[in-house]
Amino acid sequence: AQKVTQAQTEISVVEKEDVTLDCVYETRDTTYYLFWYKQPPSGELVFLIRRNSFDEQNEISGRYSWNFQKSTSSFNFTITASQVVDSAVYFCALSEANNNDMRFGAGTRLTVKP
Amino acid sequence: SQTIHQWPATLVQPVGSPLSLECTVEGTSNPNLYWYRQAAGRGLQLLFYSVGIGQISSEVPQNLSASRPQDRQFILSSKKLLLSDSGFYLCAWSVGGLAKNIQYFGAGTRLSVL
Repeated sequence: AQKVTQAQTEISVVEKEDVTLDCVYETRDTTYYLFWYKQPPSGELVFLIRRNSFDEQNEISGRYSWNFQKSTSSFNFTITASQVVDSAVYFCALSEANNNDMRFGAGTRLTVKP
Repeated sequence: SQTIHQWPATLVQPVGSPLSLECTVEGTSNPNLYWYRQAAGRGLQLLFYSVGIGQISSEVPQNLSASRPQDRQFILSSKKLLLSDSGFYLCAWSVGGLAKNIQYFGAGTRLSVL
């Protein structure tokens, strides 16, 4: 069964620091999809990115970047020059092609202090 | 554009009382619909999903049930709430294949059972 591990429960940084959120996954499928969501204090989950298992290209979107490495089963998320508005809980998730269950990690609470 | 509505935002219910949470989606047809529960400080657990009217799949045996009386309406219910039903309930939608498609979440309902 698929599994997602976010070992960092909480991270606290000072504004303008770079921060990396780790995500390690387990799956037996060769076709799967990885996601990152942001949950601000309001509670609604906001979609950030989706990656399929055949696309290992890293992606950059503004201050956000993602590093997908199949060799280590990791899909890490880096925020460059963090801002207070980045404070939220971030979830990594995995969906297998033959499974209807999107499995979420436990989340990492990021606090960015001014 | 598509929007998802969940209500109520907050609910306090006594043990043994019934529950009805509603979720509606606008701007799309035949969406996949999901109910998740998030316990305090934890990740999301998929409770139910639906690929069409009257089609409900349950992922976890529990005190809850779901119904989809209309294409874009998804209801989470309970006949008698337990203390363990407290949590943050999120509704989500997606289109296309279940595994790969991005899920978009509502604002959630915070349920406290006392």
